[in-house]
Amino acid sequence: NAGVTQTPKFQVLKTGQSMTLQCAQDMNHEYMSWYRQDPGMGLRLIHYSVGAGITDQGEVPNGYNVSRSTTEDFPLRLLSAAPSQTSVYFCASSSGKWAYNEQFFGPGTRLTVL
Amino acid sequence: GNSVTQMEGPVTLSEEAFLTINCTYTATGYPSLFWYVQYPGEGLQLLLKATKADDKGSNKGFEATYRKETTSFHLEKGSVQVSDSAVYFCALTPPGITGANNLFFGTGTRLTVIP
Repeated sequence: NAGVTQTPKFQVLKTGQSMTLQCAQDMNHEYMSWYRQDPGMGLRLIHYSVGAGITDQGEVPNGYNVSRSTTEDFPLRLLSAAPSQTSVYFCASSSGKWAYNEQFFGPGTRLTVL
Repeated sequence: GNSVTQMEGPVTLSEEAFLTINCTYTATGYPSLFWYVQYPGEGLQLLLKATKADDKGSNKGFEATYRKETTSFHLEKGSVQVSDSAVYFCALTPPGITGANNLFFGTGTRLTVIP
């Protein structure tokens, strides 16, 4: 199993550009999430999905879109990048809906918006 | 609301020293508590967890006990190694069926172990 994979590892954008961060998992997990990691702030939840076709907002959803057309993939779209979106982005998946279920994280995408 | 406060870093220790990283939380009900570890250049990995009061999570020589009375989940290891150098995150998930998608993280504590 590859686990949770993310592409690209690094990306530099100019303000106003759009891009999609890719996330895929091969563990047949229903639950997938996107987090951003900023210095001194820990990780914060952007969007999550409880299954194909179902998504919902997390703590910091503004400026991001998601969709979940398959169980395996959960892309994160930035429609018009802003410097405030400079961060490290982590995708995670989980096998279950309960609070104690472990989340598996991808290696992250480091995004810089100039 | 739900929040996690953990010890500010960075922490630098000599090999074989005793490690404590403090973590306290605010939550309604009985959350599940986690420690995640992030090695350089990698994503977060679950280190240990505890799902009810007085539970002790343990893994790779690390331990943490869920203390409801002090709302704490401090991470300890008796003898650290250079390979333990990483960033450690305390986290909680509120109780309930949507908990798996709602992790609240502390700010992380960077540990460096020197030979």
